[in-house]
Amino acid sequence: DSGVTQTPKHLITATGQRVTLRCSPRSGDLSVYWYQQSLDQGLQFLIQYYNGEERAKGNILERFSAQQFPDLHSELNLSSLELGDSALYFCASSVWDDLRGQQYFGPGTRLTVL
Amino acid sequence: AQSVTQLGSHVSVSEGALVLLRCNYSSSVPPYLFWYVQYPNQGLQLLLKYTTGATLVKGINGFEAEFKKSETSFHLTKPSAHMSDAAEYFCAVSDRASGGSYIPTFGRGTSLIVHP
Repeated sequence: DSGVTQTPKHLITATGQRVTLRCSPRSGDLSVYWYQQSLDQGLQFLIQYYNGEERAKGNILERFSAQQFPDLHSELNLSSLELGDSALYFCASSVWDDLRGQQYFGPGTRLTVL
Repeated sequence: AQSVTQLGSHVSVSEGALVLLRCNYSSSVPPYLFWYVQYPNQGLQLLLKYTTGATLVKGINGFEAEFKKSETSFHLTKPSAHMSDAAEYFCAVSDRASGGSYIPTFGRGTSLIVHP
C-alpha cells in the first residue's frame, strides 16, 4: 500500500459525459501528479500540482482540467468524453516538486467510455 | 522533447538467469532517471533512481542500473531472476523544462516473463 488513495476504482460512462477522479496524496506529500495509461499511448504525464498551484503540464487535453485543494487532495476533471479517453488514470504524490524524491503511485482509476 | 526507448516490449528469461532490460533516452544533459515496476492491477512502484553521484545505482529486490552518459543509457539488471519478478517495467526520465518545472517521460514498458 503506497498510501495514495484514488476513487473511484472503476468508472463506466458514455461519450460526451463529464467525470471527476479523486486522489488523496500520502500524508505530508505536497506534490500530486496525474498520469494516463493506455495501450495506444503508454504512460503519459498529464499535470502536476504542488501545494495547490499548477507546477508542470504535460500532454493534457483542453477537455481535461485538474486542481489541488487546500487539504492537498486533487481532482482530475474529464469532460466531453470520447472513446479514446478510456484508460487507466493514476495519480502519484511526492514530497518535493522537482522529481528528486520518490513518487508514490495510487492504484489507479479505470475509466471506460462507451 | 525528451524520449525514452525501451528495447523489447517482452523479455523472457528462465528462473535464475540474468535479467537485462534496456533503456535509452534522448537528452544530452543528464536528467533524473528512474526504473519502475508495475504488477497486474497495481500502480507503479519505484525500483531505483539516479539523480547525481555514483553511476551504478542499487535498488530494491536485487535490481541495479548503470547510468552511462556517453551511451545515453540506463539499463536495468538483476543477476538471478525469480518468478516473483514477472511484471511490467518502465524506464522514466525527467528533464527540467524552460519554466523550471520537471517533466517526466516514460518508456513504453517491458514485460518481463520468467520461466520455471
